[in-house]
Amino acid sequence: SAVISQKPSRDICQRGTSLTIQCQVDSQVTMMFWYRQQPGQSLTLIATANQGSEATYESGFVIDKFPISRPNLTFSTLTVSNMSPEDSSIYLCSVGTGLTTEAFFGQGTRLTVV
Amino acid sequence: ILNVEQSPQSLHVQEGDSTNFTCSFPSSNFYALHWYRWETAKSPEALFVMTLNGDEKKKGRISATLNTKEGYSYLYIKGSQPEDSATYLCAFKGVDSNYQLIWGAGTKLIIKP
Repeated sequence: SAVISQKPSRDICQRGTSLTIQCQVDSQVTMMFWYRQQPGQSLTLIATANQGSEATYESGFVIDKFPISRPNLTFSTLTVSNMSPEDSSIYLCSVGTGLTTEAFFGQGTRLTVV
Repeated sequence: ILNVEQSPQSLHVQEGDSTNFTCSFPSSNFYALHWYRWETAKSPEALFVMTLNGDEKKKGRISATLNTKEGYSYLYIKGSQPEDSATYLCAFKGVDSNYQLIWGAGTKLIIKP
């Protein structure tokens, strides 16, 4: 199992600004995943963060908008840059332990952009 | 495009009643089906990871069934309690998704005392 501490838990931000979300895992993991859930929508994978290499972004997400850092095997950050109201979502970090085992999540960051 | 659909979107259930809801997923190249419970201000928490057609899993008052040939899974809650109020998410993992989890939008369950 894994315990993930994610912060901030919520924030209200002005459009045009940036917010960095942090996730700390209590064990070393190879891959960390960043998700977004817009209101009424499914969890959508933004990117996969591997330690020591650039993050892999899913279609529709770009590094300039969502830069990710992964300085070591227990920590990652996601920045939401130049925010607009459309970025208002819940952002979640996650680690998965294998093909047939469960995923573990941080508590989520509820972001409102005004 | 791989779609995972959950129904209903939301559900109000009287305390003590039993309920169930559905997750539909691609029926080809199946690998695993996950169920999670997501309570407000908490992390999503895994309920079940199911891999075999016909599988049935149970955790307390909650159980799930899996039909990979027709691409659906049911989640059942027996004797609903207020603490069951949460959003229930399912996620599909398959060869065509490159083994990434593809999520449904969730069923929001509200238990009325």
